[in-house]
Amino acid sequence: GAVVSQHPSWVICKSGTSVKIECRSLDFQATTMFWYRQFPKKSLMLMATSNEGSKATYEQGVEKDKFLINHASLTLSTLTVTSAHPEDSSFYICSARDRERSYNEQFFGPGTRLTVL
Amino acid sequence: KQEVTQIPAALSVPEGENLVLNCSFTDSAIYNLQWFRQDPGKGLTSLLLIQSSQREQTSGRLNASLDKSSGRSTLYIAASQPGDSATYLCAVRPWDTGFQKLVFGTGTRLLVSP
Repeated sequence: GAVVSQHPSWVICKSGTSVKIECRSLDFQATTMFWYRQFPKKSLMLMATSNEGSKATYEQGVEKDKFLINHASLTLSTLTVTSAHPEDSSFYICSARDRERSYNEQFFGPGTRLTVL
Repeated sequence: KQEVTQIPAALSVPEGENLVLNCSFTDSAIYNLQWFRQDPGKGLTSLLLIQSSQREQTSGRLNASLDKSSGRSTLYIAASQPGDSATYLCAVRPWDTGFQKLVFGTGTRLLVSP
């Protein structure tokens, strides 16, 4: 149990296009989902926290108009990178907290590698 | 601002060796500390979680210790195997940013050769 999926697993796009990444909790309801960004050989940086049915809370320095987050249901959150540029190329990982379990437990998705040409 | 550092950044050992990974954090006001494993191009798998009131946690060949006052944690891996090759990340949950947020360390890339 407690499986989180991400789609797509990788995506290549042209500069200026928008890319949507989905994060799904497959067998539990996630009241809270987190979006992280990871540069090569670097650690994970929290971008934003999203709660179902409300606006996402962005970390300092993260452009909310650039990285649109929607958490419309208890099993799905989406991250849209708008007008992507090469500097947005990165590994994006989501995690989800099961509403029935301890807040300590975050289950991570497999990640999405975005390459912007 | 909480900062988490891991030493060494990379480690290569022959199979069978016992090894220690280090994690240090600048602010001791944490709720707990968690160790994760990340395989190349993959997400994270939780290994061990230590509450701030605990000193250590064990799971199989893994043992994690926590010295909150000095801002240090270690992950001990006994009898290492090639399958242990991965990046190991430690993360803390600071008191002042909400119990859910994780601040990650820089990671240690481990390679265990047969």
